Amino acid sequence: KAGVTQTPRYLIKTRGQQVTLSCSPISGHRSVSWYQQTPGQGLQFLFEYFSETQRNKGNFPGRFSGRQFSNSRSEMNVSTLELGDSALYLCASSGTSGTSSYEQYFGPGTRLTVT
Amino acid sequence: SQQGEEDPQALSIQEGENATMNCSYKTSINNLQWYRQNSGRGLVHLILIRSNEREKHSGRLRVTLDTSKKSSSLLITASRAADTASYFCATARPGSSNTGKLIFGQGTTLQVKP
Repeated sequence: KAGVTQTPRYLIKTRGQQVTLSCSPISGHRSVSWYQQTPGQGLQFLFEYFSETQRNKGNFPGRFSGRQFSNSRSEMNVSTLELGDSALYLCASSGTSGTSSYEQYFGPGTRLTVT
Repeated sequence: SQQGEEDPQALSIQEGENATMNCSYKTSINNLQWYRQNSGRGLVHLILIRSNEREKHSGRLRVTLDTSKKSSSLLITASRAADTASYFCATARPGSSNTGKLIFGQGTTLQVKP
């Protein structure tokens, strides 16, 4: 099976702009989770989508949003970018059966730089 | 906010030595997992231990879990230069709706010198 893919891999944006990141999960996986990784805060959970519905949400402002499509692909959007949004954004997918549903498979990440 | 604390933050050893990393967490869990990350890339799942298990092995990895102390340890035996990476513990809360939400520790950076 192909792994989790994320596009784009690198992105440079200016403060105030908005950005959309894309994630394609492993075929058959219905859960997609998003994480933000920064040197100061580490890895923080943003949100999770399962069958096109947001199932969990982390403690991030409303500028961070996401959605999932019927083919399980997911996008996350950040509006009104701030310098502090510069980070590595990681997407992960997981299966749906038993203990394996907890094991997450991560994409390579999108490195976002806000100037 | 993160619920995991890892110790040490950084570890430097020689090839062939064993590396031990510790993780503590705060709330009840369904399971605890360990992930590896190379140079700011995506994370790779290493091993999962359920809350009713005390020890688990996978190749050169040994994980222990002590739910009474809310702590876990990861032991990498006979380390190799290729093991150089950051290692993170992550916990999942009980409940089927929490399968997609992991809370990560701060990580331990391991350097294995040839």
